[in-house]
Formats: sequence, C-alpha cells, structure tokens
Amino acid sequence: KQEVTQIPAALSVPEGENLVLNCSFTDSAIYNLQWFRQDPGKGLTSLLLIQSSQREQTSGRLNASLDKSSGRSTLYIAASQPGDSATYLCAVEETSGSRLTFGEGTQLTVNP
Amino acid sequence: GAGVSQSPSNKVTEKGKDVELRCDPISGHTALYWYRQSLGQGLEFLIYFQGNSAPDKSGLPSDRFSAERTGGSVSTLTIQRTQQEDSAVYLCASSLYRGTGRVAQYFGPGTRLLVL
Repeated sequence: KQEVTQIPAALSVPEGENLVLNCSFTDSAIYNLQWFRQDPGKGLTSLLLIQSSQREQTSGRLNASLDKSSGRSTLYIAASQPGDSATYLCAVEETSGSRLTFGEGTQLTVNP
Repeated sequence: GAGVSQSPSNKVTEKGKDVELRCDPISGHTALYWYRQSLGQGLEFLIYFQGNSAPDKSGLPSDRFSAERTGGSVSTLTIQRTQQEDSAVYLCASSLYRGTGRVAQYFGPGTRLLVL
C-alpha cells in the first residue's frame, strides 16, 4: 500500500527566507506527483505536477523536484511571503489506480 | 472558465438522516473524483468516475456511501443513515481523461458535513 509522508509537519519562518518542504513515498510505480496548497476552510489549489519521467517543474517562486527511484520530492519556495502561509500537500498518482494518495501536509507560516 | 463547484458548502444533519452532496465538474472534464478530509485521517480517496466506465468504488468506507454521475457531468454523493464519524470535508475533483498521468486534478471548495 502506498504511503506518503511529509516533513516537517509545521514550519514557521520569517519573510524573505528560502525554504524546502519534503515529501517521500513508498511505491515508486507512479504516474505523477502533485503539490497542492490548501488555505484554511478552502479547497485544494494545484501548484505543480511532475510526471514520472520528469525531474522538476517550476512556477514563479516555486520549484518542485522528483527523484522517483528514491521515492522523494521537494518543494522549494524562494523569497517566502506572508501570503505563502498555508498547508502544502503532496500527492502521488499510482499506475495501479486512478486516485491520489496524499501526505498529511506541511503547515507553513511566514511571519512579516 | 468556471472551476469545480460543490453544494452545499456546509451541511449540519442529525445522526441517522440521509444527506446528498453535489459536485459540478469543470466543463469537458471526463474524470471525476470524490475525496474525504477528516481530522486525524488526512485526505482519503472515495470513488472515481471516468466517462461511461464502471466507477472505481474501492475507497468507499461502507455500504452507506454511494455516488452516481448523471450524463457524464454532475455527480451526487449520498450518505445514508449518517453517523458522527462521517463528519468531514467532502472534496470533489475533476480532470481531463486519464491514462497518461499528465493531467492535474482540480478540486472544488468542498462540503463541510457535521453530523450531530
């Protein structure tokens, strides 16, 4: 059974810092890995999708990498801003089914 | 264009009552998913619809849960004889046809269900 783990569970940083969120998964037979953002009381916003054949994806200040063989992904946020405060979730889509398996999330707080 | 919409946004019900939750996917998206997000359980898959194929119901927690998708568009998730442990946020997502793993799932705002 696929298990997805995110470290750390919570992170508090001052504005302007660069930071890294980590995600690991146990079964490397995946189609893709997605990073989402969830604001309190809201749904999920898709940030980046990395296909299994890709190494990284970039969008603005966000960069996500994928090492499928080791079962790891990182989300790098450059020059963090208070508006980045949210819970960040990673999820994998396995080749054996059409569902996403989610990690527990990292709750990020960026202090002004 | 419009994103995934869900209704109601909040629902409070009494234990034992039935509830229906609605999802309107993004126009043109043939795949539709239901997930549940509850405290201590994280986000878990419930059911998946793809076109006219038989749905993948393997994530439904009990036979009190059912879902249908009419006309390949709108979906309704029904919970019969609700229990307090059904209290959670129910999220719907849609995506273009799958099979390649190249497309993202787009989520609605969710329905917050509270069973008293």
